[in-house]
Amino acid sequence: DSGVTQTPKHLITATGQRVTLRCSPRSGDLSVYWYQQSLDQGLQFLIQYYNGEERAKGNILERFSAQQFPDLHSELNLSSLELGDSALYFCASSAGTDTQYFGPGTRLTVL
Amino acid sequence: AQSVTQLGSHVSVSEGALVLLRCNYSSSVPPYLFWYVQYPNQGLQLLLKYTSAATLVKGINGFEAEFKKSETSFHLTKPSAHMSDAAEYFCAVSLFSGGYNKLIFGAGTRLAVHP
Repeated sequence: DSGVTQTPKHLITATGQRVTLRCSPRSGDLSVYWYQQSLDQGLQFLIQYYNGEERAKGNILERFSAQQFPDLHSELNLSSLELGDSALYFCASSAGTDTQYFGPGTRLTVL
Repeated sequence: AQSVTQLGSHVSVSEGALVLLRCNYSSSVPPYLFWYVQYPNQGLQLLLKYTSAATLVKGINGFEAEFKKSETSFHLTKPSAHMSDAAEYFCAVSLFSGGYNKLIFGAGTRLAVHP
């Protein structure tokens, strides 16, 4: 158990819908990262937050957004969903620029 | 730009045989390198990491990796495979810049262990 929690574990929705994925980092970790894992793209970095502020953006679509709240949990919002957004979404956390510890992931299926 | 190449998307070994999973990296600065393992339907678990200290790094579950700068490699080994080692393994390089940090992953190697 890495100490990073993600909810929900599974999410099934329809094209055009909007979903929110939630992540709670390890106790004391200020950085939260979001990654997408898909069969065709592999593991891709989406975005990083540090203590509530966005620090880095990767291959994140404009339809996707994230935020980190004062209690340090983070949410990833995915809107106008397409079939190709079906993937595993991982959250990771770290203390600054140290090792990233990953949560169990949320499996999103868009029908 | 940093990148990672894992040679062999699938590796199959017999139980008790040597495990060797290959990783080559490209980095313009001294890298931090990681190996993660993903068991079916689970998240990524850190196996080991190289952060410019000892070049031979020991990790969990009997795995180790050697950083070779001249070969830009960070191959993962285990002397004797166990059935429970069957999983997907990812090599990653860490990119630090301006206070941010992201992992760049290789495509992964799926390890199968046969009795």
